[in-house]
Amino acid sequence: GNSVTQMEGPVTLSEEAFLTINCTYTATGYPSLFWYVQYPGEGLQLLLKATKADDKGSNKGFEATYRKETTSFHLEKGSVQVSDSAVYFCALRVTGNQFYFGTGTSLTVIP
Amino acid sequence: NAGVTQTPKFRVLKTGQSMTLLCAQDMNHEYMYWYRQDPGMGLRLIHYSVGEGTTAKGEVPDGYNVSRLKKQNFLLGLESAAPSQTSVYFCASNLWAEDEQFFGPGTRLTVL
Repeated sequence: GNSVTQMEGPVTLSEEAFLTINCTYTATGYPSLFWYVQYPGEGLQLLLKATKADDKGSNKGFEATYRKETTSFHLEKGSVQVSDSAVYFCALRVTGNQFYFGTGTSLTVIP
Repeated sequence: NAGVTQTPKFRVLKTGQSMTLLCAQDMNHEYMYWYRQDPGMGLRLIHYSVGEGTTAKGEVPDGYNVSRLKKQNFLLGLESAAPSQTSVYFCASNLWAEDEQFFGPGTRLTVL
């Protein structure tokens, strides 16, 4: 079947620290991979995506590389800010229109 | 351009009551989705629609019904609410299946 597993939180970091949120997946076929971010009280917003193996998605200083050999799509940022505090969801989409989301990882960045 | 909007934002129901959640999008999107978000469970797909007049079941459809009479609106109904339906409900839409999904702000529903 199709599923996404991401590291459990909550994660608390100091400002300017390095961030990694792990995400691994199981999928039939060739999935597209996504990271969504949810700020408090809001809906999910697309952060970045990658549609094929070895693609790197990037946005707002965040990056993730689609690794087919390890079935992973880990989210990284070199220097987090307080404004990055949110819940981050890894997701995949296989052929068709159904998305599969991970359970979310809460990130809090303290000054 | 309001994007995806949801009505209401909050609601408290008693067990057995019914209600309808409204999702509206002004982006002329073909596809629309209803998810529920529960702690430790991520988002789970309830129902979705691939166009006006069509609906299909997702991962957790039991206890819910949907309708898509107009392209811009997707309604989620609970005929007889149960405490297990206490959740945050999100609507999403996209133009094509391959596109990113655009999410509404969510509806927090509590069933007592």
